[in-house]
Amino acid sequence: DGGITQSPKYLFRKEGQNVTLSCEQNLNHDAMYWYRQDPGQGLRLIYYSQIVNDFQKGDIAEGYSVSREKKESFPLTVTSAQKNPTAFYLCASSIPGQGTEQYFGPGTRLTVT
Amino acid sequence: QQQVKQSPQSLIVQKGGIPIINCAYENTAFDYFPWYQQFPGKGPALLIAIRPDVSEKKEGRFTISFNKSAKQFSLHIMDSQPGDSATYFCAGKGGSEKLVFGKGTKLTVNP
Repeated sequence: DGGITQSPKYLFRKEGQNVTLSCEQNLNHDAMYWYRQDPGQGLRLIYYSQIVNDFQKGDIAEGYSVSREKKESFPLTVTSAQKNPTAFYLCASSIPGQGTEQYFGPGTRLTVT
Repeated sequence: QQQVKQSPQSLIVQKGGIPIINCAYENTAFDYFPWYQQFPGKGPALLIAIRPDVSEKKEGRFTISFNKSAKQFSLHIMDSQPGDSATYFCAGKGGSEKLVFGKGTKLTVNP
């Protein structure tokens, strides 16, 4: 089955701890994305990567970090510097180019207390 | 400007009704406008998409109407069903790989 997997589905952390969210895809897509979703806010882009070993900041990158060492993997680290980390995090991938669909994973709900 | 403004925030219709969700964009470089459907606790999935060189696109019960001069586009759902109850997002994409999303519309279709 081709697709995007995100793990875990639910994640709980104490304030002040860094946490890494996993995203893996077997669609052979070059581009990968991380979004944050809050109620009533839509999807906001955190980071994206169009190719291995390269990534760019999105609209709300502060307090987050990423790496792209392999084509199929794009982990997101939520650092202790992120002021409001509790949210639903979505990973997506696509073939770079005009009008190509972004495929989304099932998401990880992170709760920080 | 990169914004995509979506309305209404929420919408309730009866089964068989035709909900309409509207979006407006500012960036004239946008050349791809997808609509995504998201069920609670799931990731969004592409529903239908349109390019600005056509004024309307239909896929099953879902239709996008596009008005390039007004920089507006809308989603119509014909013969809506309770299973269509979900949150719908419009988006725009230009030369970069980034999609700019509207804030979403929560649709409830009552039986």
